Amino acid sequence: EDKVVQSPLSLVVHEGDTVTLNCSYEVTNFRSLLWYKQEKKAPTFLFMLTSSGIEKKSGRLSSILDKKELFSILNITATQTGDSAVYLCAVEEGRGSTLGRLYFGRGTQLTVWP
Amino acid sequence: DAGITQSPRYKITETGRQVTLMCHQTWSHSYMFWYRQDLGHGLRLIYYSAAADITDKGEVPDGYVVSRSKTENFPLTLESATRSQTSVYFCASSPPNNEQFFGPGTRLTVL
Repeated sequence: EDKVVQSPLSLVVHEGDTVTLNCSYEVTNFRSLLWYKQEKKAPTFLFMLTSSGIEKKSGRLSSILDKKELFSILNITATQTGDSAVYLCAVEEGRGSTLGRLYFGRGTQLTVWP
Repeated sequence: DAGITQSPRYKITETGRQVTLMCHQTWSHSYMFWYRQDLGHGLRLIYYSAAADITDKGEVPDGYVVSRSKTENFPLTLESATRSQTSVYFCASSPPNNEQFFGPGTRLTVL
């Protein structure tokens, strides 16, 4: 069973729309949740979340974590065609100072039409 | 150049051949990782390493071997390639408790 589940798997919107991407997880020793953007090449880092309820923001993108309900959302406001990509959610599992392992969801393919 | 590089970027091989994918990072990150990315599965961890000479298995290690004699290099070897190992392979590195930085990927085709 997947430890990290993303929804929707794909999304098509028009420029200017606001989108919300979802990520739910189930790991034993949660350490952090990360969001990456992948545009036909290597994933690039967006956010790392470790605490519940604290929104992280970067321009039009924002993300928040709920450790009680085991999910995170990634919001993109005023979408642009350049936002078209696969958005990956990953959860780091680990204890103490040992090296954590990342479990990735299958991603949400976002397509933004002009 | 600083960063993380992978070679080759593209590789076609035949079933049964040995293939080595190279990964090199210039940040002196202690942690390094190998993932494969397949349609319908997302990114799956093959092997990871906490430091030179310390490696451990990830989710899908069968058929792969790694070594890490130097901090900056983390080669991945397919000892006898199979068609199911056709995939895009990403190497990543990170300092402790920080996000992972990914290399550009190697697209491997096994005929």
